[in-house]
Amino acid sequence: AQKVTQAQTEISVVEKEDVTLDCVYETRDTTYYLFWYKQPPSGELVFLIRRNSFDEQNEISGRYSWNFQKSTSSFNFTITASQVVDSAVYFCALSRGNTGKLIFGQGTTLQVKP
Amino acid sequence: SQTIHQWPATLVQPVGSPLSLECTVEGTSNPNLYWYRQAAGRGLQLLFYSVGIGQISSEVPQNLSASRPQDRQFILSSKKLLLSDSGFYLCAWSVRGAIAFFGQGTRLTVV
Repeated sequence: AQKVTQAQTEISVVEKEDVTLDCVYETRDTTYYLFWYKQPPSGELVFLIRRNSFDEQNEISGRYSWNFQKSTSSFNFTITASQVVDSAVYFCALSRGNTGKLIFGQGTTLQVKP
Repeated sequence: SQTIHQWPATLVQPVGSPLSLECTVEGTSNPNLYWYRQAAGRGLQLLFYSVGIGQISSEVPQNLSASRPQDRQFILSSKKLLLSDSGFYLCAWSVRGAIAFFGQGTRLTVV
């Protein structure tokens, strides 16, 4: 069975702090994709990153970085120097092969206070 | 560029009434289309998946149905709504199963 676990339900930080959102996944597939999406209060899911199971290189995009470790089945997301605009619900998701069908974690609500 | 439109944005319907939510995609051909539901408590669950006109896969048993009458149109329907159908419904598209892009969602409240 496939599963995504985001153990942190809510995180609250003060602006400029670094914050890491955890994501642990379960799958028996050898080919799969991992995603992070951001859901601001408006509700739309905004795509942040996709990683395939064969690429364990960490990725950095501005203040965002992702750490993919197959050995621990984790795909963690770090925001450096957080800003109030980062406040949102963040979802980690797993896709079986390249079907595009996503299995989501329960989401982590991030609140960044000024 | 590709865009996805979903409407209405909010809907309040009485129990037992019918439902029709529409989603259209522009700027791409033969997309995969998806309906997800986000119930209270945040989890998103895939409801329906379509790889082409008239081809619908249901991922979970439920009171809802989906149809794809045109290549870039995806409709979510119900003949009689239940209270448990309340939630936030999101349409999404992808090309050949790659990155899924989401619409702005419809917040449905069944009263």
